[in-house]
Amino acid sequence: ELKVEQNPLFLSMQEGKNYTIYCNYSTTSDRLYWYRQDPGKSLESLFVLLSNGAVKQEGRLMASLDTKARLSTLHITAAVHDLSATYFCAVDTGTASKLTFGTGTRLQVTL
Amino acid sequence: DADVTQTPRNRITKTGKRIMLECSQTKGHDRMYWYRQDPGLGLRLIYYSFDVKDINKGEISDGYSVSRQAQAKFSLSLESAIPNQTALYFCATRSQGAGGTEAFFGQGTRLTVV
Repeated sequence: ELKVEQNPLFLSMQEGKNYTIYCNYSTTSDRLYWYRQDPGKSLESLFVLLSNGAVKQEGRLMASLDTKARLSTLHITAAVHDLSATYFCAVDTGTASKLTFGTGTRLQVTL
Repeated sequence: DADVTQTPRNRITKTGKRIMLECSQTKGHDRMYWYRQDPGLGLRLIYYSFDVKDINKGEISDGYSVSRQAQAKFSLSLESAIPNQTALYFCATRSQGAGGTEAFFGQGTRLTVV
């Protein structure tokens, strides 16, 4: 059974600081997705990573995928308050086409 | 209008009652999913469907059933609701892409079983 683990579960950081969220998964996959969820809202797609070494960037967020290490990272550069949300990674289990989600990382950016 | 629409958005129901959550999509996707979200547990897959005749159990299907009435409609039923089914429920759709495709989510249904 595929396990997807994120850490940290909760992150409080100051504006202007950098930090990284980690997503580890337990079986072979080269398809990983990052989502953002604002409180009480739906999930919004951030990044789609479809190969080893894939790197995607949007604004202050950058996501990467290392399929050999079964690890994806979401790096936050110079955080701003608007980035406060919960971030989920999800791994595609191939032919079954299911998305298995991590537990989420709640990010709180303080002034 | 939203591409993936869930109804109702909020529902309070009593233990033992039957309840149906509905999902419709205008994205033309073949694949539809029902997830449940609980604090600290992320999203867990209840059921998924690749087309009208292809329905599959997810990791937590006990106590739930689904119906794929058409390509665009996928309903989730709780035959006899119990309090630990109180959660936020999401419907999602994906296209059938060979290389991997992102999922699009509805706005969610907040269900409370009292």
